[in-house]
Amino acid sequence: DAGVTQSPTHLIKTRGQQVTLRCSPKSGHDTVSWYQQALGQGPQFIFQYYEEEERQRGNFPDRFSGHQFPNYSSELNVNALLLGDSALYLCASTGGTTEAFFGQGTRLTVV
Amino acid sequence: KNEVEQSPQNLTAQEGEFITINCSYSVGISALHWLQQHPGGGIVSLFMLSSGKKKHGRLIATINIQEKHSSLHITASHPRDSAVYICAVRGGAQKLVFGQGTRLTINP
Repeated sequence: DAGVTQSPTHLIKTRGQQVTLRCSPKSGHDTVSWYQQALGQGPQFIFQYYEEEERQRGNFPDRFSGHQFPNYSSELNVNALLLGDSALYLCASTGGTTEAFFGQGTRLTVV
Repeated sequence: KNEVEQSPQNLTAQEGEFITINCSYSVGISALHWLQQHPGGGIVSLFMLSSGKKKHGRLIATINIQEKHSSLHITASHPRDSAVYICAVRGGAQKLVFGQGTRLTINP
């Protein structure tokens, strides 16, 4: 079991561009949550997907959107990138009340 | 005030010392996680607690639900324990709310 896998690991984009980050949850997990971690800060909740629908959302603008596929994998899309979107984006998967497992993250740099 | 507060924010100690990191929260929770994050970003889950105490090797985690407080202890600390330790609480619908983290440095 590969656990939670995220791709890509690193990404550099230009302001105004769009980016898509991907996450495959741990086998048996059906819930995927996305978090943004700015340098020196704790992760902040973006949104959570369950049964292919957004179940909860944090305080992030509509430029941040997502999707969950029937195999439970998920994508995070960010449009009209800003310099402030530079961060580590973490994906966590859970199933029921089980422990959360995290991916290694995608480090996004916007220049 | 943040829903999850950790202390201290930074901690430097000598190898072998007993380490305590504290976490206080202000919301109702179903579980509390202690996580470890090394440079490069990957997060590893150390413990998930809903009551009492758990031990794994040199790590011990305790939680007091009534006082809304948890502690992570490291016995016989080692330089490889240097990392950021994060407390996260799980409320409804499995959303995690994170503390700011405690940066631990263990010097040889």
